[in-house]
Amino acid sequence: QVQLKESGPGLVQPSQTLSLTCTVSGFSLTSNSVHWVRQPPGKGLEWVGAIWSGGSTDYNSALKSRLSISRDTSKSQVFLKMNSLQTEDTAIYFCTRGLAGSPDYWGQGVMVTVSS
Amino acid sequence: DIQMTQSPSVLSASVGDRVTLNCKASQNINKYLNWYQQKLGEAPKLLIYNTNNLQTGIPSRFSGSGSGTDYTLTISSLQPEDVATYFCFQHNSWLTFGSGTKLEIK
Repeated sequence: QVQLKESGPGLVQPSQTLSLTCTVSGFSLTSNSVHWVRQPPGKGLEWVGAIWSGGSTDYNSALKSRLSISRDTSKSQVFLKMNSLQTEDTAIYFCTRGLAGSPDYWGQGVMVTVSS
Repeated sequence: DIQMTQSPSVLSASVGDRVTLNCKASQNINKYLNWYQQKLGEAPKLLIYNTNNLQTGIPSRFSGSGSGTDYTLTISSLQPEDVATYFCFQHNSWLTFGSGTKLEIK
């Protein structure tokens, strides 16, 4: 079955870089896209970016200058790197499988707190 | 960027009621509109994709409709387990979520 699991540090200091990993199973990264979505505590969902089945990427225009998404198809892993973190980047970060351009299956999410 | 506006922000209804949630796009999104349900403490779940296609395993009391800029999620008979926040999402041009409608039981 399709599964996604996010991993990474729970606490990041302001101005530092966030590195998250999404490990997937039950589908191929060369057949489906993977999206990152985040949700600040008590707030709504924000699309962060995606890596498409061919390896190209798209990013939220508000985050583009700080964001990088990559993958290792041999390990079925997708990586998110976001630099210059601020307190407003505190959120649950979800990775999701993309089907026909939009998320269908979601991971459980990982809480990231930006604080000194 | 396309903006997605959901209304109402909070909806309170009784078990068995027919419930309608609205989502309006700032421009035509050509029916590339999904609905997600998020229960407290859980990841979102896909309910409806491309306006009116029911995701596998989702109860048939959920349905979607709309075109152009205006879209609707309908629950034909509200159940206690439907308490959640519902988000619309457009994938016509870039990708954008609505702000959500919180659905409560009276």
